[in-house]
Amino acid sequence: DAGITQSPRHKVTETGTPVTLRCHQTENHRYMYWYRQDPGHGLRLIHYSYGVKDTDKGEVSDGYSVSRSKTEDFLLTLESATSSQTSVYFCAISESLAGNTGELFFGEGSRLTVL
Amino acid sequence: GQNIDQPTEMTATEGAIVQINCTYQTSGFNGLFWYQQHAGEAPTFLSYNVLDGLEEKGRFSSFLSRSKGYSYLLLKELQMKDSASYLCAVSRGSNDYKLSFGAGTTVTVRA
Repeated sequence: DAGITQSPRHKVTETGTPVTLRCHQTENHRYMYWYRQDPGHGLRLIHYSYGVKDTDKGEVSDGYSVSRSKTEDFLLTLESATSSQTSVYFCAISESLAGNTGELFFGEGSRLTVL
Repeated sequence: GQNIDQPTEMTATEGAIVQINCTYQTSGFNGLFWYQQHAGEAPTFLSYNVLDGLEEKGRFSSFLSRSKGYSYLLLKELQMKDSASYLCAVSRGSNDYKLSFGAGTTVTVRA
């Protein structure tokens, strides 16, 4: 199994509070992603990173920011959480070596509830 | 934009065969993935198709037709443990490793 850990795994917070989710990998993979998963929508990309300090927006990036100061860590921050951000958040990693399919390896997920 | 469609739910009997279809319309194509996700768990990789045709891997097979924007995942000799959600995902470019996912198909296997 790919070494990916997410923290916290579960969090309940109140509207308007900041929240940071952490993704830590031990695989030295170049690419890291944050997805959210909601019923009826599947997995939607929030932000991704293609290297240290190199990040870009995905399809549902409003209200979220990310940082990657080290290869192994990718942080997702909700500056002011809203109830619409209640979701399960998955971190994923992939490598770009020649011949690699670009397969994603997922962390176990972080369930966030915003009251 | 990306449009990836798959049925919401399917039910089948243990030992039977189920085929999950996926159609896609995306800006660029560099491969189609299938993932399995058990309830409350992370998605795990099942198969990858980049060329037309059938890829077989044990009880699971995946088919791709690029001209039709169509793929299917075939699950044979169904077992109770195959009850899960199956996610179709498309990669758009050779240097673009972001995947766009369909909403997933929940397969329920009955005894």
